[in-house]
Amino acid sequence: AQKVTQAQTEISVVEKEDVTLDCVYETRDTTYYLFWYKQPPSGELVFLIRRNSFDEQNEISGRYSWNFQKSTSSFNFTITASQVVDSAVYFCALSDPYNQGGKLIFGQGTELSVKP
Amino acid sequence: DSGVTQTPKHLITATGQRVTLRCSPRSGDLSVYWYQQSLDQGLQFLIQYYNGEERAKGNILERFSAQQFPDLHSELNLSSLELGDSALYFCASSIGGQGAGETQYFGPGTRLLVL
Repeated sequence: AQKVTQAQTEISVVEKEDVTLDCVYETRDTTYYLFWYKQPPSGELVFLIRRNSFDEQNEISGRYSWNFQKSTSSFNFTITASQVVDSAVYFCALSDPYNQGGKLIFGQGTELSVKP
Repeated sequence: DSGVTQTPKHLITATGQRVTLRCSPRSGDLSVYWYQQSLDQGLQFLIQYYNGEERAKGNILERFSAQQFPDLHSELNLSSLELGDSALYFCASSIGGQGAGETQYFGPGTRLLVL
């Protein structure tokens, strides 16, 4: 069955610390897609990144970076030099052909608190 | 701003009532998805429409129904409401919807409180 696990429920760091949010997924297929979304206190879900299963290159976008490792079924997200504005709940999600249509399966989310 | 709009932002109603949530997708997007976010269940997929037709169904209760209109906006109807239906309901849209992997852009959500 398809599943996404974010084992860290809450993380608290002090500003300028680096922080890594873990995501482990399960899927039967060799073709699948992984996503990260951010949910700030205002409540909306903001798209951060999409990665397909054939692209194992790590990605960096400013202070954000993602480490995709198929061998361990993980897609971890690192924020470098965290800022108070990074405080939010972060969701990892999976989409694969075994799901009808394009539905996303979300992890339970990791609540990140960055203190000044 | 994702370009997906949802109305209303907040809704307070009583048990047994019926409500309609509305969603307009991003310009050019043909697929609309509905998700429910609650404290106990997390983010759960409810239903997807693609160009007016139902494409996929998730854990949607029989008391809930949805449709997508010719102008591509969608409505989610929730009836015989129960306390447990209180949640944040998100609409998302993507450009196609034929299969897995499209990026879904989410609206701001409708927060429903059933008293």
